[in-house]
Amino acid sequence: DVKVTQSSRYLVKRTGEKVFLECVQDMDHENMFWYRQDPGLGLRLIYFSYDVKMKEKGDIPEGYSVSREKKERFSLILESASTNQTSMYLCASSLYSPGHSNRGPPNELFFGSGTQLSVL
Amino acid sequence: AQSVTQLGSHVSVSEGALVLLRCNYSSSVPPYLFWYVQYPNQGLQLLLKYTTGATLVKGINGFEAEFKKSETSFHLTKPSAHMSDAAEYFCAVSDRFSAGGTSYGKLTFGQGTILTVHP
Repeated sequence: DVKVTQSSRYLVKRTGEKVFLECVQDMDHENMFWYRQDPGLGLRLIYFSYDVKMKEKGDIPEGYSVSREKKERFSLILESASTNQTSMYLCASSLYSPGHSNRGPPNELFFGSGTQLSVL
Repeated sequence: AQSVTQLGSHVSVSEGALVLLRCNYSSSVPPYLFWYVQYPNQGLQLLLKYTTGATLVKGINGFEAEFKKSETSFHLTKPSAHMSDAAEYFCAVSDRFSAGGTSYGKLTFGQGTILTVHP
């Protein structure tokens, strides 16, 4: 069974702390994504990675960074946590679509269960 | 940039009634279209998708959606609601042709619609 695992279900941190959210997938997927989910706003893409050590900014990268040292692991880093970063964070992965420079329809995203982060 | 709008943040139906969740996209070139579902305390999972071909797409759990280019819509329906359908539903889009020719499988999600099913 395919699996995307996020290290913590609930996390409480203080303002100014450096926070690491970890995500591991066991499907050998090339693409990995970090979204945040807020009521009424849906999911918004923070960062994504299409290969080891490669990363691209999403729609709301400010205040975040990422690391992908190994194919199966994608980490989201909050350099200095703030209260407006209190949110549900979802990690996802998908298989690379070969051919036509990845222009074809995207493959299915597989999501983790999420990490509810509270910054006090 | 692509955007997608889901009309109605909450929809409530009785068990056995028709389910209709609305989704509209904004793009001159029809994007790839998806519906994902999120059950309580779980991540999202794919319900169905439209990429090309037949405009009526069938998904899991009896759901289907119809792509209507003239209306820029991709509404999700199910003829008869079941209690187990209670969840949050997300419409999502991906550029059919993105700048630089690479999309990397990125999706843009709508705001979500919470479906409640009453006995």
